[in-house]
Amino acid sequence: DQQVKQNSPSLSVQEGRISILNCDYTNSMFDYFLWYKKYPAEGPTFLISISSIKDKNEDGRFTVFLNKSAKHLSLHIVPSQPGDSAVYFCAASAQDTGNQFYFGTGTSLTVIP
Amino acid sequence: GAVVSQHPSRVICKSGTSVKIECRSLDFQATTMFWYRQFPKQSLMLMATSNEGSKATYEQGVEKDKFLINHASLTLSTLTVTSAHPEDSSFYICSARGLGTSGGSYNEQFFGPGTRLTVL
Repeated sequence: DQQVKQNSPSLSVQEGRISILNCDYTNSMFDYFLWYKKYPAEGPTFLISISSIKDKNEDGRFTVFLNKSAKHLSLHIVPSQPGDSAVYFCAASAQDTGNQFYFGTGTSLTVIP
Repeated sequence: GAVVSQHPSRVICKSGTSVKIECRSLDFQATTMFWYRQFPKQSLMLMATSNEGSKATYEQGVEKDKFLINHASLTLSTLTVTSAHPEDSSFYICSARGLGTSGGSYNEQFFGPGTRLTVL
């Protein structure tokens, strides 16, 4: 049972425009959410996180929005750059599950120069 | 940031052999290490969680006798795939969490680069 879902396997965006990556979850006990970026043949690298007490967290060009009632989070990248082309995974965890991470299936972002 | 290494990065072996993958935290002490498996176009699936000095906790459906995990020190965990078969071919990734790590969260994990296992 996939508790974290990324329904868009791929996304293409023009350089300079906004990239919006979406993630949905089913477990209402999740209280911490993260986005990871992954290049081919490399492990995921941490990008940005948000706890359930917030609805927005911003770090430079990256902003994560959390809508708890909809069990939905999104990652906004603006402006998008060619170097942002990678696979993006969202992950969720809950304190009462030992902080195990549950990952989505990933969205492959291509930023077109 | 904290660095996690994995060795080897790629391994090809014959069916029936055993393969050991090492995961090391290079600049921090990893009190907890996680082992994930990723199939093509699928998410990272947690296989097991190991705490230094204790037995690993395996996720449902993961055979603990097939995937042996040892977390003998605060900087090293190993995953041994015993009697590997072609269906074990996959991308295995470890992550670590622990003392002295930088970052924004108490539960942030730092990932290794992964190991591509191909069983012929």
